[in-house]
Amino acid sequence: AQRVTQPEKLLSVFKGAPVELKCNYSYSGSPELFWYVQYSRQRLQLLLRHISRESIKGFTADLNKGETSFHLKKPFAQEEDSAMYYCALSSYNTDKLIFGTGTRLQVFP
Amino acid sequence: ETGVTQSPTHLIKTRGQQVTLRCSSQSGHNTVSWYQQALGQGPQFIFQYYREEENGRGNFPPRFSGLQFPNYSSELNVNALELDDSALYLCASSLGGNQGDTQYFGPGTRLTVL
Repeated sequence: AQRVTQPEKLLSVFKGAPVELKCNYSYSGSPELFWYVQYSRQRLQLLLRHISRESIKGFTADLNKGETSFHLKKPFAQEEDSAMYYCALSSYNTDKLIFGTGTRLQVFP
Repeated sequence: ETGVTQSPTHLIKTRGQQVTLRCSSQSGHNTVSWYQQALGQGPQFIFQYYREEENGRGNFPPRFSGLQFPNYSSELNVNALELDDSALYLCASSLGGNQGDTQYFGPGTRLTVL
C-alpha cells in the first residue's frame, strides 16, 4: 500500500538551529516526492520536489530510495519557517497526492 | 494569473443533508483534484477530474460525487451527510494530471456536520 509517514507531529527549535523534518514512504514503484508547506492563514503550497533537486528558502530534501526516506533539512532555521509541513508522494502516471499527517515546525526567537 | 478559488468558505449542515462545494481552477489548468482534510490529518484524495471526466478516485463512498464543467471549474457533492464528513475540503488544480505536475491548492471549504 502507498503510504507516507511523518513521525513527528511537532518539532520545536530555536532560531539558527538546524532542522530536519522526517518523512518515510511506502511505494513499490518510482514515486515523485514533494514537500508542501502551509503558513499561518495561508493555503497549502508546494515547497519543493525531489526531481527538481533545488533549494527553496534554504530547505533541501534528498530522496533515499534505500531507506525510502525524503527528509527535509535546513541548516539554520528562521522564525518565518514556522509552519505546517506535509510530505507527499504521487505515483506513476498521476499527480494524485498521498500526504503524510504533517509536522508542525515552531521556530523560537 | 488567477489562483484557485473555492466557495463557500464555511458551511454548517445537519446529518442526512446534501452539500455542494465549488472550485474554480487556476487559469490554464484542466485538471481538478479534491481532498478531504480531517482535523489533525493530512489531506486525503477524494477524486480527480481531467477535461470533464473522472480520472481517479480515492477510498470514498459513492455518496461523494463530482462534476467538472467545460471551463474546468468543478463541484464536489456529498449526499446523506454523516458527522465524520466534518472536515476541510480542498480543491487543487494542475496542468495535466501527470506525475510530477504541481498542484495548486485553494483556501478550502470548512464543512461542519451537526
